Amino acid sequence: GAVVSQHPSWVICKSGTSVKIECRSLDFQATTMFWYRQFPKQSLMLMATSNEGSKATYEQGVEKDKFLINHASLTLSTLTVTSAHPEDSSFYICSAYSGRSTDTQYFGPGTRLTVL
Amino acid sequence: QKEVEQNSGPLSVPEGAIASLNCTYSDRGSQSFFWYRQYSGKSPELIMSIYSNGDKEDGRFTAQLNKASQYVSLLIRDSQPSDSATYLCAVNFGNEKLTFGTGTRLTIIP
Repeated sequence: GAVVSQHPSWVICKSGTSVKIECRSLDFQATTMFWYRQFPKQSLMLMATSNEGSKATYEQGVEKDKFLINHASLTLSTLTVTSAHPEDSSFYICSAYSGRSTDTQYFGPGTRLTVL
Repeated sequence: QKEVEQNSGPLSVPEGAIASLNCTYSDRGSQSFFWYRQYSGKSPELIMSIYSNGDKEDGRFTAQLNKASQYVSLLIRDSQPSDSATYLCAVNFGNEKLTFGTGTRLTIIP
């Protein structure tokens, strides 16, 4: 149980385009999901908390108009990187609470974004 | 500022020995503590959670928590080359979010 998937696993795009990343909880319902970003050799940085049916809560310094989050159902949250630039190239990882526990986060496999 | 600190390493341990990973955190009132393992290029994988003072064992892994000292550790017994990874300590400071340390890179030497 507690399986989280992400799609795509990697994406390469041109500067100025938008990219959508999906995060799904496969065997449980997730009212809360989290989006992280990780640059090489650095730790995970929380970008935002995604709550089903309401607006996401963004961490300080994260541009909400650039990183659009939609959590329209109990099993799906999406992150759209709008007008991507090379500095947005990173490893994006989502996580969710398992449903049985409101305390333990399980991570998706991550999406590696490269902006040319 | 709520912080989690880890020695970044690298920590090199001979195969079969005990690897000891340490983590300190800033908020004495924290209740939930986690160890994740992250292989290069992969996402974190939960190893253990611990909530009470003392030791918690799961196979070759033992988590140790000392809330008075604001210290949590992870011991890996009979270390294997497959244990080579970055180990992330994470703390829930009571706001449903996890705060991660920078991770300790562990290398098991055959």
